[in-house]
Amino acid sequence: QKEVEQNSGPLSVPEGAIASLNCTYSDRGSQSFFWYRQYSGKSPELIMSIYSNGDKEDGRFTAQLNKASQYVSLLIRDSQPSDSATYLCAVSGLWGEGGATNKLIFGTGTLLAVQP
Amino acid sequence: DGGITQSPKYLFRKEGQNVTLSCEQNLNHDAMYWYRQDPGQGLRLIYYSQIVNDFQKGDIAEGYSVSREKKESFPLTVTSAQKNPTAFYLCASRNRASSSYNEQFFGPGTRLTVL
Repeated sequence: QKEVEQNSGPLSVPEGAIASLNCTYSDRGSQSFFWYRQYSGKSPELIMSIYSNGDKEDGRFTAQLNKASQYVSLLIRDSQPSDSATYLCAVSGLWGEGGATNKLIFGTGTLLAVQP
Repeated sequence: DGGITQSPKYLFRKEGQNVTLSCEQNLNHDAMYWYRQDPGQGLRLIYYSQIVNDFQKGDIAEGYSVSREKKESFPLTVTSAQKNPTAFYLCASRNRASSSYNEQFFGPGTRLTVL
């Protein structure tokens, strides 16, 4: 059973601080890693993807991947109240029929609350 | 505007009825997916399709059916056999030819409630 684990939170940070969101996954065959942001009542929005070990930066967001530890994280610098949302970690691999599925396995999400 | 559209936004179903949720995309993506989201749970895969006229069951396909007659369209039917259909249904698509070929993008979703 492939699993993705996240702390449900809420994670509360003051405005301007760094928010650190963490995710672990069970399958060592996982190849692609994603962070989605989901506002209440809305659909998930892809904000970061990472495929190799190390850091990937995009604006205020940094994704970190450590395949040896099976760990993915998302850092949000200079957190804003508009960043308050649920952050979903998702993992993909060559699973399924013919290895071509690219199925996403999702964690249950971490609720981030940025306090003004 | 390029994107994924889902309709209706809200849907109410009586017990014993079949209902069909629409998903259309004009992104020229090959692969399309249906997920459901329940409170406190992660998204779970219902069905997926990699190419036209072909689709496979996901993890929770029982009580659902799909078709893929056109590249742009991937409708989901929730049948009366689905015991607990109340959920938020999300359609996603993926461009298999892209360098970012694993990235899936979601439509706005359909919230289904059984009365």
